Amino acid sequence: SQKIEQNSEALNIQEGKTATLTCNYTNYSPAYLQWYRQDPGRGPVFLLLIRENEKEKRKERLKVTFDTTLKQSLFHITASQPADSATYLCALDSNYQLIWGAGTKLIIKP
Amino acid sequence: GAVVSQHPSRVICKSGTSVKIECRSLDFQATTMFWYRQFPKQSLMLMATSNEGSKATYEQGVEKDKFLINHASLTLSTLTVTSAHPEDSSFYICSARAPRTFYNEQFFGPGTRLTVL
Repeated sequence: SQKIEQNSEALNIQEGKTATLTCNYTNYSPAYLQWYRQDPGRGPVFLLLIRENEKEKRKERLKVTFDTTLKQSLFHITASQPADSATYLCALDSNYQLIWGAGTKLIIKP
Repeated sequence: GAVVSQHPSRVICKSGTSVKIECRSLDFQATTMFWYRQFPKQSLMLMATSNEGSKATYEQGVEKDKFLINHASLTLSTLTVTSAHPEDSSFYICSARAPRTFYNEQFFGPGTRLTVL
């Protein structure tokens, strides 16, 4: 069956360290993958999109990698701050719709 | 740019009543809008895809007669939950596909928390 998996447990990171979140998928061949941030009681906010032919994408303190062989994307936040605490969702395209992971809750401790 | 609003942000209603939720793209024209439902600590579940001027496409298991979607203009889509029941209580979020892009980047509204008593 088709699945998208993200770390189900909350990730606790010390402020200033790099946070790394994982998104694994099976039985998909997405042309691109997206990462969103969602704060409690709010809609998701788009962060980054990476295409299948891109290995890495950066935006300020954010970095996303996409390994289509491993069927995995990694999302990194460098120099993490308490304000980065949120749930991060990955989503990949399938027939021009977005299929969502359940998200990983990231907690940055001061 | 690419701001999507939703109204209301919260609604509490009695069982059996109908509730309408509006989704507006404020600074762009959205030919396609999406309606999602999200239960606590779960992923977004796509309910339907709404194209302006045509009937919405519902996902399997979503009752089209219960969740009425109207996409009357390029900036407005509405979701009406008819004869709401407590099990319909959830967080409903709309999104609009970003304009002038091949990719399915979506901009989300802030969501509507529906509580059915």
